[in-house]
Formats: sequence, C-alpha cells, structure tokens
Amino acid sequence: EEQMVESGGGLVKPGGSLRLSCAASGFTFNAYNMNWVRQSPGEGLEWIASISSAGGSIYYADSVKGRFTISRDNANASLYLLMNSLRVEDTAVFYCARTRHKDFDLWGQGTLVTVSS
Amino acid sequence: DIVMTQSPLSLPVTLGQSASISCRSSQSLLYSDGDTFLSWYQQRPGQSPRRLIYKVSNRDSGVPDRFSGSGSGTDFTLKISRVEADDVAVYYCMQATQWPPSFGQGTKLEI
Repeated sequence: EEQMVESGGGLVKPGGSLRLSCAASGFTFNAYNMNWVRQSPGEGLEWIASISSAGGSIYYADSVKGRFTISRDNANASLYLLMNSLRVEDTAVFYCARTRHKDFDLWGQGTLVTVSS
Repeated sequence: DIVMTQSPLSLPVTLGQSASISCRSSQSLLYSDGDTFLSWYQQRPGQSPRRLIYKVSNRDSGVPDRFSGSGSGTDFTLKISRVEADDVAVYYCMQATQWPPSFGQGTKLEI
C-alpha cells in the first residue's frame, strides 16, 4: 500500500524552530517530486514547498521563503521540512503530498504545528 | 499568481439528488502541451485531502463514477450524482498549470 506518514509536529514558541518528517512507503520514492502543503485551523489548503525527485530543484511560497527549508533523503524514502523563525500564523496541519500529473495524488495524514507563547 | 474561486462555499443537498460545484480561475489553465491541470479534492471531516479528479475530467482509481469533472479554459465544474451520506466533505479545486499551484477556498457539502 502506498502511504506517507508525517511526524515532528508539536507546540513551539514564536521565533522557534521545528523539523517535520514524512516517511514514504509502498512506492518508488525517488521517482516523484514531493511537496508540503499546510492547512490553518478551519481554513483552506496552501502549497508551501516543492522538491524535485533528485532534489536539484526547490521552490517555496513567498509566505515561507527564507524561513523554511525542504529536503529529502531518497535512500531512506523520507521528506523533510525545517521551519525556522516560526510565527503564530504558521499554526497549521502540515501535509506531505506526492506530485503526479503535476498535482498532488497522494497525501499523508498530516502533523499539527502550533506556534504559541 | 492564479486565483481560484469556488462557488458556492456551502452546498446543502438532499440524499439521492445531484450537486454541482463551480471553480473559476483568474487565468486560462490550458498548458502549453495542450493539457489542463485542474484537479478536485475531497476532504472528509478529520481526514487529509484525497484527489478525486485530475486534468479536468479523469477520475482517480477507486473514485465512484458518480463524481465527474468538466470544463475548460477558466470555468470548471465538479458534479456529484446521487449524493450519499459518505460524500459529506469539503471539496477543493486546484490548478497546477502555472507556478505556484493554488487551491480554491473549498465548498462544504452538507446533507
């Protein structure tokens, strides 16, 4: 079964850092571009970062550029999101999502990040 | 950036009836290769999003044929025939034709 499982969420103070992980299984991880998408409480979906299959191309939404870093470890079928300088408005459920047909065909269950003092 | 606008934002329906959700983009979603990268997602309460439709009208594996997508250019529609209780969810459209990818605000389907 193809699946992805996120971890690493939690409560962090404004200005703090957190590293999210996404463990993939059941498919050839290194064949796919990967993404992080977030959803603020009660709100819609926001794409925040993408990384190509080999890691050579990386893109960020303006809202996180300079603060978040996406990376991957193909040997361990894992995707990461390092989040620095966190703000209250970064509070959200963070999903990893696989790219297929240019959009997102497989999603993890999400991990909640709460930024609060 | 392309802005995606869905309507209605709330859609009360009766079991067994049909429902339609509209999605409009601020620019044409026709890509240079001739494809149109407009997809639809279902997010049931407490769950992660699930893709239903990709490239306007292609159903993902396991998606009932009660769900259908149509449209072109800037106007797109998701139709749900014979609505079932299991269809209660928020539905999102998304464009991936132009970077960055963007989502509509979501339409809450209620019975």
